[in-house]
Amino acid sequence: SQTIHQWPATLVQPVGSPLSLECTVEGTSNPNLYWYRQAAGRGLQLLFYSVGIGQISSEVPQNLSASRPQDRQFILSSKKLLLSDSGFYLCAWSLSDRRAILTFGSGTRLTVV
Amino acid sequence: KNEVEQSPQNLTAQEGEFITINCSYSVGISALHWLQQHPGGGIVSLFMLSSGKKKHGRLIATINIQEKHSSLHITASHPRDSAVYICAYNTDKLIFGTGTRLQVFP
Repeated sequence: SQTIHQWPATLVQPVGSPLSLECTVEGTSNPNLYWYRQAAGRGLQLLFYSVGIGQISSEVPQNLSASRPQDRQFILSSKKLLLSDSGFYLCAWSLSDRRAILTFGSGTRLTVV
Repeated sequence: KNEVEQSPQNLTAQEGEFITINCSYSVGISALHWLQQHPGGGIVSLFMLSSGKKKHGRLIATINIQEKHSSLHITASHPRDSAVYICAYNTDKLIFGTGTRLQVFP
């Protein structure tokens, strides 16, 4: 069966510090991978998605970046965090079929102080 | 304007009430998802449907592809149903509705 792992669950980082959130998927090959952010009291915002290794599409200009170094690994990074980067970050995967079920990771609550 | 509109944005109910959450979208799609986000933030997929109706326990989801509309119904609502319910469709990326925050009181 397929599983998705996302860590850490919570993170408190000072402004200006770097960020690295990791997401891995097991039990499938060539999944579509997504990073979402949910700011307090707001809906889900797509940040990045990837349909294959090294293929990253960015939806929102910001100081975040994403990488997919391996087929089932998706990393969200920042060189210098801003206060506005605080939020709940969710990784998700699906098969490439547009009718595929979505599966989400457990999320990372990031607080930038 | 959001590509996926949900209504209502907030909903309160007494335990046992029948709940309906609506979702409308503006483009032709092949499938739509209903998701549930718990207060802690975790998201689970409830339904993926491309036509007709699906039922799982007390949850029922319907979709009319021609009218670009879907509904999520909860029968005999319970306080544990309190969550944010989100509809979304999938192209190369996921397009989410704004969510409906449901609170069910005992």
